[in-house]
Amino acid sequence: KQEVTQIPAALSVPEGENLVLNCSFTDSAIYNLQWFRQDPGKGLTSLLLIQSSQREQTSGRLNASLDKSSGRSTLYIAASQPGDSATYLCAVLSGSARQLTFGSGTQLTVLP
Amino acid sequence: DAGVIQSPRHEVTEMGQEVTLRCKPISGHNSLFWYRQTMMRGLELLIYFNNNVPIDDSGMPEDRFSAKMPNASFSTLKIQPSEPRDSAVYFCASSFPGGRTEAFFGQGTRLTVV
Repeated sequence: KQEVTQIPAALSVPEGENLVLNCSFTDSAIYNLQWFRQDPGKGLTSLLLIQSSQREQTSGRLNASLDKSSGRSTLYIAASQPGDSATYLCAVLSGSARQLTFGSGTQLTVLP
Repeated sequence: DAGVIQSPRHEVTEMGQEVTLRCKPISGHNSLFWYRQTMMRGLELLIYFNNNVPIDDSGMPEDRFSAKMPNASFSTLKIQPSEPRDSAVYFCASSFPGGRTEAFFGQGTRLTVV
């Protein structure tokens, strides 16, 4: 059974700092990995999708990397802003039933 | 496209009552997922449909939960009878099958069973 772990559970940084969020998964036979953002009381917004054959994806100040063999992904946020404050969730698509399994998230607070 | 649409956004019901949550996936998406989110357990996959057919319902907690997808543009999640421990936010998501594209989530239904 696929298990996804995110570290740290919470992170507080001053505005302008670069930061890295970590995601690990137990079964490396994945189809893709997706990073989401969730604001309080809201749904999930897709940030980046990395296919299993890819090593990284970039969107604006966000860069996500994937090392499938070691079961790890990182989300790099450059020049953080208070508006980046949210919970960031990592999810992997895997298994014969193609389940999307989520980590428990990292709650990010960017202080002005 | 308006995205994945869920209704109602909020539902408060008494224990023992039947609750029906609704979802309209993005047009053209063949895969549909129902998730439940709680503080204690995070996001849990309840059931997954592909081309209107349930592929994996192993996450459905009990027989009180049932889900249907009568056509490509509509799905329901029903809880009968509801219990206070069912209180959670229920999300519906859709995507193209095969993992080639992102999964898109609705805004969720916040269910409170009193």
